[in-house]
Amino acid sequence: AQKITQTQPGMFVQEKEAVTLDCTYDTSDPSYGLFWYKQPSSGEMIFLIYQGSYDQQNATEGRYSLNFQKARKSANLVISASQLGDSAMYFCAMRGTNTGNQFYFGTGTSLTVIP
Amino acid sequence: DTGVSQDPRHKITKRGQNVTFRCDPISEHNRLYWYRQTLGQGPEFLTYFQNEAQLEKSRLLSDRFSAERPKGSFSTLEIQRTEQGDSAMYLCASSLEGPWNYGYTFGSGTRLTVV
Repeated sequence: AQKITQTQPGMFVQEKEAVTLDCTYDTSDPSYGLFWYKQPSSGEMIFLIYQGSYDQQNATEGRYSLNFQKARKSANLVISASQLGDSAMYFCAMRGTNTGNQFYFGTGTSLTVIP
Repeated sequence: DTGVSQDPRHKITKRGQNVTFRCDPISEHNRLYWYRQTLGQGPEFLTYFQNEAQLEKSRLLSDRFSAERPKGSFSTLEIQRTEQGDSAMYLCASSLEGPWNYGYTFGSGTRLTVV
């Protein structure tokens, strides 16, 4: 079974500061990918960053980086230099070799950037 | 616009009525997915199409739900005899066939309210 856990229902960050959103996962799949999506109030899920389970380096995409600790089964998202437009829900998700074509999502973290 | 389009954006219906939602994927994407997202939760997988073939269905997809993708392009999701528990955001996504690090492109969803 696959499980994604996001333990922070809500987070606040000052504009221009960095923030870390936590994600832990549980899977028996030998190979898997971890994803972060942003969901603004408009509802669309926007892909942010991807980390493969066998990737040697942590993924980075602009202001987003993924702190991947495989032994701890964690895949935390770091947003640097927060902007007001970063205020949204953030979801961690996983796909694996045995999950077919579906994602498993966590319950999300609501991020509010304070000016 | 080359994104995933969903129609309608919002739907309010009375309990017991039937509703149908439409999804237009990115034109070159042969894979199409439906997810349901209830308040405070992450999206949950409903079903998946490759071209016109429905290849996976979740146990969440009760017999009141039916999805089609008749020509491998747009898809419809119908809910018959709606119940209050069907109130949710229904998200459609599409992708190319390939490694799962391709991720999905999501639409903005259809928000259903059953009164």
